[in-house]
Amino acid sequence: QSALTQPASVSGSPGQSITISCTGTSSDVGGYNYVSWYQQHPGKAPKLMIYDVSNRPSGVSNRFSGSKSGNTASLTISGLQAEDEADYYCSSYTTSSTYVFGTGTKVTVL
Amino acid sequence: QVQLQESGPGLVKPSETLSLTCTVSGGSVSSGSYYWSWIRQPPGKGLEYIGYIYYTGSTNYKPSLKSRVTISVDTSKNQFSLRLSSVTAADTAVYYCASLYCSRTSCYVRYWGQGTLVTVSS
Repeated sequence: QSALTQPASVSGSPGQSITISCTGTSSDVGGYNYVSWYQQHPGKAPKLMIYDVSNRPSGVSNRFSGSKSGNTASLTISGLQAEDEADYYCSSYTTSSTYVFGTGTKVTVL
Repeated sequence: QVQLQESGPGLVKPSETLSLTCTVSGGSVSSGSYYWSWIRQPPGKGLEYIGYIYYTGSTNYKPSLKSRVTISVDTSKNQFSLRLSSVTAADTAVYYCASLYCSRTSCYVRYWGQGTLVTVSS
């Protein structure tokens, strides 16, 4: 059960859009529409940003959106803001009835 | 809104057993709405799923940790617990308890505890 693959870092200027990829296999990302995304600021617990590929919990900005194609899911942050600077993790349910997280992506706002 | 709070020793000696408890408020571990989970994060590294328990006592563990992990639930105290045996320095991490919501059409970690750092050292 390997971690899902994410880029180590992504950066963008305020107001720009960035996209973070999350690549798995047909046993996790590709097999279920159960991909979720979490934002984690330093020293804090993760916060749910997207669930079931593209759904936003109440209270999460509509600047955050999710999608999936095959074994790769993506998180897009539009209108990048300073407060978006954080680590982001994807996750997925798996065929083993377990749960797997991505390797994490550090988002830097230039 | 469900709230979770981890408690337990912050320092464990190598080869001993790590024990943590998660107290749930704003919801019941017996409700059947969530799978009660443990997730950890080594310093400076990513998140790692450890396992979960359903109120019926059914469990699921990460395969590589399965031989050392036990997750249990105490419905009378509205708590669930983690035991990790034969710990090494590699088990040093912030341990989070969390509520995993899974249904036939949905699955995600909905609520997280604040996390507790456990250091394995003599």
